[in-house]
Amino acid sequence: KQEVTQIPAALSVPEGENLVLNCSFTDSAIYNLQWFRQDPGKGLTSLLLIQSSQREQTSGRLNASLDKSSGRSTLYIAASQPGDSATYLCAVNQGGSEKLVFGKGMKLTVNP
Amino acid sequence: EAEVAQSPRYKITEKSQAVAFWCDPISGHATLYWYRQILGQGPELLVQFQDESVVDDSQLPKDRFSAERLKGVDSTLKIQPAELGDSAMYLCASSRRETQYFGPGTRLLVL
Repeated sequence: KQEVTQIPAALSVPEGENLVLNCSFTDSAIYNLQWFRQDPGKGLTSLLLIQSSQREQTSGRLNASLDKSSGRSTLYIAASQPGDSATYLCAVNQGGSEKLVFGKGMKLTVNP
Repeated sequence: EAEVAQSPRYKITEKSQAVAFWCDPISGHATLYWYRQILGQGPELLVQFQDESVVDDSQLPKDRFSAERLKGVDSTLKIQPAELGDSAMYLCASSRRETQYFGPGTRLLVL
């Protein structure tokens, strides 16, 4: 059974820091991996999707990398801003069924 | 930009009552998902539809939960009777290819 882990569960940093969020998964046979952002009481916003054949994806200040063989992904946030404060979730798609298996998320607080 | 619509946004009910949630996916998205997210946890799939057919409902508590997508467009998730442990955020998502787009969710509180 696929399990997705995100450590730490919460992180508080001052504005301007470069951040690395970690995600690990137990079964490396994935189809793709997706990073989401969730604001309090809201739905999920897709940030980046990495196919299993890709190593990384970039969008603005965000860069996500994937090392499928080691079961790890990182989300890099450059020059963090208070508006980046949210919970970040990592999810893997095993393929075929398109079902997403989520981690518990990491709550990020960026202090001005 | 097209979005997934859900209603109601919030629902408070007493245990043993029936509740229903509605989801309207992005137009043209054949795949629709219902997830449940307990506070502090990641979402977990309850049911997945491809058009009007159920693809995966292995985690749906079928003794009290039901879901339908009669015309392959919008969908309804029902709980009857509701239990205290059903308090959670219920998220609907849709996809045409690989990226899933999520709605704002329905937050359910069972008293």
